Amino acid sequence: GESVGLHLPTLSVQEGDNSIINCAYSNSASDYFIWYKQESGKGPQFIIDIRSNMDKRQGQRVTVLLNKTVKHLSLQIAATQPGDSAVYFCAETGGGADGLTFGKGTHLIIQP
Amino acid sequence: EAQVTQNPRYLITVTGKKLTVTCSQNMNHEYMSWYRQDPGLGLRQIYYSMNVEVTDKGDVPEGYKVSRKEKRNFPLILESPSPNQTSLYFCASSFSSRTGGGLIFGSGTQLSVL
Repeated sequence: GESVGLHLPTLSVQEGDNSIINCAYSNSASDYFIWYKQESGKGPQFIIDIRSNMDKRQGQRVTVLLNKTVKHLSLQIAATQPGDSAVYFCAETGGGADGLTFGKGTHLIIQP
Repeated sequence: EAQVTQNPRYLITVTGKKLTVTCSQNMNHEYMSWYRQDPGLGLRQIYYSMNVEVTDKGDVPEGYKVSRKEKRNFPLILESPSPNQTSLYFCASSFSSRTGGGLIFGSGTQLSVL
């Protein structure tokens, strides 16, 4: 079946560097995409979203890029901080579906 | 404070003993959903509800039941739990499944079925 997935299960970056977390999706009908952050022992927390009529959206220190041609989504975190250490999930919906399909997650590790 | 509240936070039970995990939201959200999270499998949707008295199966509904008698509550019922239902469960809600804002998640319920 169609799915949403992430390219890497673990990403290790130096504190202060920029992080890029990638996500590939296969449902060409998807029209709404969300990034979530899950810290240890907590539920996922909404970070940023983007609709298919956009290719870039910026928040505070985070940017989401959407490339519909290759069905690729990325989350960029600027100046990574220790508090950014978490598992990041992408999720998508659309094409008549009534719920979100989540990717398996990327664990972001911050090196001091 | 706007939140999704799940109870209990931790639960250990035995095979076959019926249990209910409660979920309540105070944001007047129409959409509510249950997920289970397992290592290597990510978040998988069990059931969801678009509004009161409207529930639908997600990707992994077998062995679970839900009800939505009131807008704020969406309990997850395991009539006869089995060890393969040992997992971390999350309830979530939003105004809509597709019109923006993302889901608000509860803190999770760690269930162990012996």
